[in-house]
Amino acid sequence: EAQVTQNPRYLITVTGKKLTVTCSQNMNHEYMSWYRQDPGLGLRQIYYSMNVEVTDKGDVPEGYKVSRKEKRNFPLILESPSPNQTSLYFCASSFGLASYNEQFFGPGTRLTVL
Amino acid sequence: KNEVEQSPQNLTAQEGEFITINCSYSVGISALHWLQQHPGGGIVSLFMLSSGKKKHGRLIATINIQEKHSSLHITASHPRDSAVYICAVPSTQGAQKLVFGQGTRLTINP
Repeated sequence: EAQVTQNPRYLITVTGKKLTVTCSQNMNHEYMSWYRQDPGLGLRQIYYSMNVEVTDKGDVPEGYKVSRKEKRNFPLILESPSPNQTSLYFCASSFGLASYNEQFFGPGTRLTVL
Repeated sequence: KNEVEQSPQNLTAQEGEFITINCSYSVGISALHWLQQHPGGGIVSLFMLSSGKKKHGRLIATINIQEKHSSLHITASHPRDSAVYICAVPSTQGAQKLVFGQGTRLTINP
């Protein structure tokens, strides 16, 4: 089954404790992206990747890191999480550029930073 | 940056009613996405369109490029259509980025 998976689905952590949210897709998509969703603000892009070893900042990259060592995986790293990073996070992928290709979303990761 | 406005923000209707959700954007685009976010949080892509109209089952999406406006219609609405509907357009910063509307929360009562 074609899908985007994220882990963990739920995470409660404390300020400063490094964490990684994994994202994997099995559709051989070149484009992958991370979004956060907050009430009243909608979906906002954190980082995106056009292909292996090619990543770039989205609209809200501060406090986040990503890597794209393999085509299928695009982990989101929070080196020192803070309470303002409490949010619902989505990974998405597509064959090509986001604007012109159907986006496939992961199930979401609900993160709480205390 | 492309600005995206959706209306209404919230919509409650009775089962069977015809539903219209609107999306307006500020900068000319070549494609627009409609997404559906289920009550459980998952997001699925409904349509991507660049002109005219697309239909899938009871859902119809239209776009008017000149007026910078798109509509999502649901015919014979059903409680299972209850969800948040989100439109997205390319950012002026490049086709690798999307800008999202804040969503329309639709509730269909039996």
